[in-house]
Formats: sequence, C-alpha cells, structure tokens
Amino acid sequence: QQQVKQSPQSLIVQKGGISIINCAYENTAFDYFPWYQQFPGKGPALLIAIRPDVSEKKEGRFTISFNKSAKQFSLHIMDSQPGDSATYFCAASYRAGNNRKLIWGLGTSLAVNP
Amino acid sequence: GAGVSQSPSNKVTEKGKDVELRCDPISGHTALYWYRQRLGQGLEFLIYFQGNSAPDKSGLPSDRFSAERTGESVSTLTIQRTQQEDSAVYLCASSNQETQYFGPGTRLLVL
Repeated sequence: QQQVKQSPQSLIVQKGGISIINCAYENTAFDYFPWYQQFPGKGPALLIAIRPDVSEKKEGRFTISFNKSAKQFSLHIMDSQPGDSATYFCAASYRAGNNRKLIWGLGTSLAVNP
Repeated sequence: GAGVSQSPSNKVTEKGKDVELRCDPISGHTALYWYRQRLGQGLEFLIYFQGNSAPDKSGLPSDRFSAERTGESVSTLTIQRTQQEDSAVYLCASSNQETQYFGPGTRLLVL
C-alpha cells in the first residue's frame, strides 16, 4: 500500500515530441505528489508538484495530470529537448503523526534524441 | 550557502575501513534525510531526522550504518567496516515542509 509504481523504466523520445511518464499509488492518505529530475552526477531536484485537489498543473513545458479516482498521476513534457534527458522520479507524500513521509517511484530514464 | 552541501564529494576507501559522510542542510530545515543510490538505480531511504532525533531508521541496511544529527543542523552518516556492496552515491536532503532539497551526494567507492 505504500508503493508508488512508476513506468516506463526507460523512454526514448525524438526532439520536439511528448514524453509521458506514469505513476500509480494505493494509499489514499497521500496528499502531495512531486516530480523530481536528476541529471547524471547531481542530486534530484524538484521539478513540479501537485496536490490532489486539482487535476492538472502546468509549468512551462511540464504538466502533471492527476486522476484521483484512478489513483494515478503522470508527467508530460511537451516539445521535449535533448537537455531534458535525465532520470525522473515521481513521489507521493503523506503525514504520519508529526512526521512527513515521502515514498519514491523507481525512476524513469529519459533520453531525447536530437 | 543557499543549498544542501555534502562532503566529501568523492571517497575511495579500502574494504574494512570506516567512513564518515557529512551533510549540511539548508538553514532552518528541521527534517533531514539520508538516501543511498546505486548506479542506475532509484533512491533507497536510509534514515530520517526530525530535529536531532531519528524517528525513522528503518532503512539502515545493517548495524554497520549509523547516523547522528547535532544542533538541528549538520548530520553525519557513518559506515563501519565498509564492504564493496556499500559502494554507491549517498544523498542527503533537507526539508521544512513537503519538498525535499537534495545535496550533490557523496560518491563512495569501496575497493
């Protein structure tokens, strides 16, 4: 119930195309869903996040779509660029007492071909 | 500095030696996390600090691993009697609310 299932494991997209990464969860206590981007040799960095009271959030070329009833959320990268090539992690967060727990997906390696 | 810093950035050690990895979180962040990331893999949670106490140590893989945090600031992850399978990137993150901010990691290689 604590898992976040992320797919695909790897993705190759042509420049200008749309990259789509999907995540699914079971625990209805999750209340915050961030996406992190990690470049080789660097730590993950927050890309965009959403709360379950909205169905979509857009920041530039990056959009999160959230389907509360299906317990799924996805990241869409429009007009994908070679510089977007990185590993993307979805995560889901919930409050446990005074603590906040973050459960991570296993990551998607994205390669955008020029 | 504005971000999370970690030191050393790289560490090469011999099997059986002890190593200490340091994390300086963002000032004012009460929560601090340690993760391990093997090459090409996801993030493996190790331990979580809230202030100076560690309410969740469930990810520490063995009793060779320990961590402490002092002054609600710096944290040290210690690996005793290192093994080759300990080779990985060790990432630290700090948080004040939901978002975790990561440091660049320490790349540990055990020969």
